[in-house]
Amino acid sequence: QVQLVQSGAEVKKPGASVKVSCKASGYTFTGYYMHWVRQAPGQGLEWMGRINPNSGGTNYAQKFQGRVTMTRDTSISTAYMELSRLRSDDTAVYYCARGGTGYGDYPQDYWGQGTLVTVSS
Amino acid sequence: EIVLTQSPGTLSLSPGERATLSCRASQSVSSSYLAWYQQKPGQAPRLLIYGASSRATGIPDRFSGSGSGTDFTLTISRLEPEDFAVYYCQQYGSSPTFGGGTKVEIK
Repeated sequence: QVQLVQSGAEVKKPGASVKVSCKASGYTFTGYYMHWVRQAPGQGLEWMGRINPNSGGTNYAQKFQGRVTMTRDTSISTAYMELSRLRSDDTAVYYCARGGTGYGDYPQDYWGQGTLVTVSS
Repeated sequence: EIVLTQSPGTLSLSPGERATLSCRASQSVSSSYLAWYQQKPGQAPRLLIYGASSRATGIPDRFSGSGSGTDFTLTISRLEPEDFAVYYCQQYGSSPTFGGGTKVEIK
């Protein structure tokens, strides 16, 4: 069965960086895009970007350009999302979610359990 | 960026009633790349509908999606107790975006 298991909760100070991991199992990791979506407390869903685990190619939402970096390690079927220059309004639950086999051809059908990132001085 | 506007913000209904949720896009959604998700408190979103009208694996047939272009609808034919949740639409083309959500609450 498809599973996405994310790393644990983080507390960071403003200006720091955070790196969240997402370990995939139950399917061919390099065959499906991986997306990252966040949700601030009591708010809606916000798409951050996606990575093609096969090529390493990325596509980021304009809002996060220059602050987010998505990478992967195919040897351990794990995707990473690093967000830098953290601000208090980056406090949110960050989700990884599996996409389709092609660029933009399928929504996110399996989701990780979420990682709470708290930014506080 | 395609902006998705969901309405109403909150829908108060009783179990057994029909729910109709709307999602309007600021420009045409290509190839009907429109999805609907359900989210319950403390849980990750769950994919319900993709391609505007196709049910995802394991989704009951009381959930149906329709629409094209800029206007889309999610219909729950008869609300079950487990259907009270927040619903989001998403266009998942070149640069995905989500709507603000509709909360379906028990009346």
